[in-house]
Amino acid sequence: GENVEQHPSTLSVQEGDSAVIKCTYSDSASNYFPWYKQELGKRPQLIIDIRSNVGEKKDQRIAVTLNKTAKHFSLHITETQPEDSAVYFCAASAPKRGSTLGRLYFGRGTQLTVWP
Amino acid sequence: DTGVSQDPRHKITKRGQNVTFRCDPISEHNRLYWYRQTLGQGPEFLTYFQNEAQLEKSRLLSDRFSAERPKGSFSTLEIQHTEQGDSAMYLCASSFWAPSSYEQYFGPGTRLTVT
Repeated sequence: GENVEQHPSTLSVQEGDSAVIKCTYSDSASNYFPWYKQELGKRPQLIIDIRSNVGEKKDQRIAVTLNKTAKHFSLHITETQPEDSAVYFCAASAPKRGSTLGRLYFGRGTQLTVWP
Repeated sequence: DTGVSQDPRHKITKRGQNVTFRCDPISEHNRLYWYRQTLGQGPEFLTYFQNEAQLEKSRLLSDRFSAERPKGSFSTLEIQHTEQGDSAMYLCASSFWAPSSYEQYFGPGTRLTVT
C-alpha cells in the first residue's frame, strides 16, 4: 500500500516568516494530495489539495507544489500568523483496482508553532 | 451545523465491553469513511462505504470491529470486547463521489477511552 512520510515533525517560526512542510509518497498511482489542519481537540480541516495533473496550486497565503517524478509534495505558508499554529497533515490517495479514489493515507503530522 | 456529526463525542468504557459510535455525514454525500487517530499520529483508514456498500476494509479492522451503513445515510461503528489498545479518536469523514470530486470532510470524532 501507499506510504506517506512527512517532515519535519515540529516547526517553529516567527510571525511573518514562511513555513514549508514536505511529504513524500511511495505509490506512483497516487493522484490526489490534500492537506489538513488540525487544531488541538478539533477535527481535521481540509485547507488545500492538489491533483496529479497540476504542479502548483495557491490559495491566498498557502500553496502546495507537487513533483510527480520525485514523488513529493510540499505545503508553503507565507506571512505566518499565530492562528496558523496547529498540526498539519499531508495525505495521498490512489485509485484502487478500477474504482475511483477512496482511502487517504496520512503522514504523521507537523506541529507548527508561530511565535508572535 | 451542516457538517459531519458524530455521537457520542467521548466514551469511557471498561475493557471487555462493547461500544457503538454513530456518524451522520453531510446530507448529499454518498461516501462515508471511518478513520482512527492516536496521539501524535495521522488518521489511519479503517473502512469506507459508498451508499450502503462497504467497499474497502483495512487490515486494522479486526473481527471485533464492524461497521454498517444500512440505508446509505448514517453509519455505525461497533467495537466488541474492547481492549485498552482500542483507545483512540475515531473519526468519520464523508465525500460526494464524482469523477471530479475528491474532498473528504471530517467530523469532530469520538474519543474512546478503555480502562
